[in-house]
Amino acid sequence: SAVISQKPSRDICQRGTSLTIQCQVDSQVTMMFWYRQQPGQSLTLIATANQGSEATYESGFVIDKFPISRPNLTFSTLTVSNMSPEDSSIYLCSALTSGQVEQYFGPGTRLTVT
Amino acid sequence: AQSVTQLDSHVSVSEGTPVLLRCNYSSSYSPSLFWYVQHPNKGLQLLLKYTSAATLVKGINGFEAEFKKSETSFHLTKPSAHMSDAAEYFCVVSGWGGSYIPTFGRGTSLIVHP
Repeated sequence: SAVISQKPSRDICQRGTSLTIQCQVDSQVTMMFWYRQQPGQSLTLIATANQGSEATYESGFVIDKFPISRPNLTFSTLTVSNMSPEDSSIYLCSALTSGQVEQYFGPGTRLTVT
Repeated sequence: AQSVTQLDSHVSVSEGTPVLLRCNYSSSYSPSLFWYVQHPNKGLQLLLKYTSAATLVKGINGFEAEFKKSETSFHLTKPSAHMSDAAEYFCVVSGWGGSYIPTFGRGTSLIVHP
C-alpha cells in the first residue's frame, strides 16, 4: 500500500493567479495520476505524471493550463495556471505501486477561485 | 476503449436492510474492477477489487461484489446497511492497452435512513 499526502489541503485563489499542488507518497510508486473532481461530480483524469519526462494528458487538458512535474518516484506537482472560477474543484493525486492494480488516493486539495 | 456505468445516482435504504449498488462495464482488455468509497470531505478509500481471480470478492466493512462476465456487471452488495455507510461510491474499471487506463463511474450516493 501507499500513503499519500497533498499540500495544500484547501485554498482560495483569485482569478488569473496560479496554484501549485504538491503530492508526496511514502514509498516509491510506478505511476502517479492527477484527477479533478468538480462539485457533485465523479473524478476526471487530468494526466499521468511520468517520472523524468513530460506528463501524458487526457483529452481536454493541456500542459499550458496544467503543468505537471514528477522529479522522482515519490513526488509530483500539479499547477493550475491562470485560474478562473471554472477551475474550482477538488484536485486529487493518486499512485499505483509495483505489482498492484489498485490506485491509492491522496486526501485531495479543495480549490476555490474567486 | 472502456467505460463504466453506475445505474443509480442515488440509492436510499433503511438501516439494517440490504444494499445493492449497480455497476456495468465495457472493456477491450481483461479488466480489473474496483469499488471505492468517498465519505463527505474525505479522500477515496478502496473497498474491494477484482483482478481475474475469484469472481466473488469480499471487501472491507462487510461489502462484497460479484464479477459476472456474461452480464458485464460488478454490483456491490452488503447484507445490512449501517448509518456509517452513507457516502459516495465509485465503480472503476482499469486495464492495460499499451498504457494503464482507469475510468471512473459517475458515482452512486448511498443514503441510509435510521
